[in-house]
Amino acid sequence: GQQLNQSPQSMFIQEGEDVSMNCTSSSIFNTWLWYKQDPGEGPVLLIALYKAGELTSNGRLTAQFGITRKDSFLNISASIPSDVGIYFCAGSRQGSNYKLTFGKGTLLTVNP
Amino acid sequence: DTGVSQDPRHKITKRGQNVTFRCDPISEHNRLYWYRQTLGQGPEFLTYFQNEAQLEKSRLLSDRFSAERPKGSFSTLEIQRTEQGDSAMYLCASSTVREAGSTDTQYFGPGTRLTVL
Repeated sequence: GQQLNQSPQSMFIQEGEDVSMNCTSSSIFNTWLWYKQDPGEGPVLLIALYKAGELTSNGRLTAQFGITRKDSFLNISASIPSDVGIYFCAGSRQGSNYKLTFGKGTLLTVNP
Repeated sequence: DTGVSQDPRHKITKRGQNVTFRCDPISEHNRLYWYRQTLGQGPEFLTYFQNEAQLEKSRLLSDRFSAERPKGSFSTLEIQRTEQGDSAMYLCASSTVREAGSTDTQYFGPGTRLTVL
């Protein structure tokens, strides 16, 4: 079963607000990935993190790989309506680096 | 560079029928993965190929499921004697080796939505 705890489960925000979501694990992960999924489509990669402490940005998105290697967060600044979707964290563990474990997702709704 | 493609995008079938899905990975990606996603959940790992070799199968992949990648390029996932519990989105992803011992960046296709009546 899934081992990543992703929160919050859903968020309703106003356009222009900043958003933060996070993912925690009871196990050490050596890679964290953040994906966005639109209805009826596959997940689209947003940011990949490979080292503990790493902070990476992709436009208005910023993600960090936690120092303990058991957590990661994703921030979205100045949200816009097209940010609507489900955001998933995913990670891989030492010795299973081909297998991604996903969180249950955060549903983001942006009110214009 | 085209992305991962999957066919069909949607499949409706009756319980007990066999279905087959196809995945074409990003060209020159030597690793290919299948995941299953049910409503309200994240994708769950099913199986993984490096070139034509199937290297791991999840316990989720019962003996009614079989996956192949005969020439190390496209892959097929077949479900025999479908059950209503097989209804899900079946996602394919591909990657190329980033560096030894590390996790590759997996790129997903649009998925095949299976509905078993």
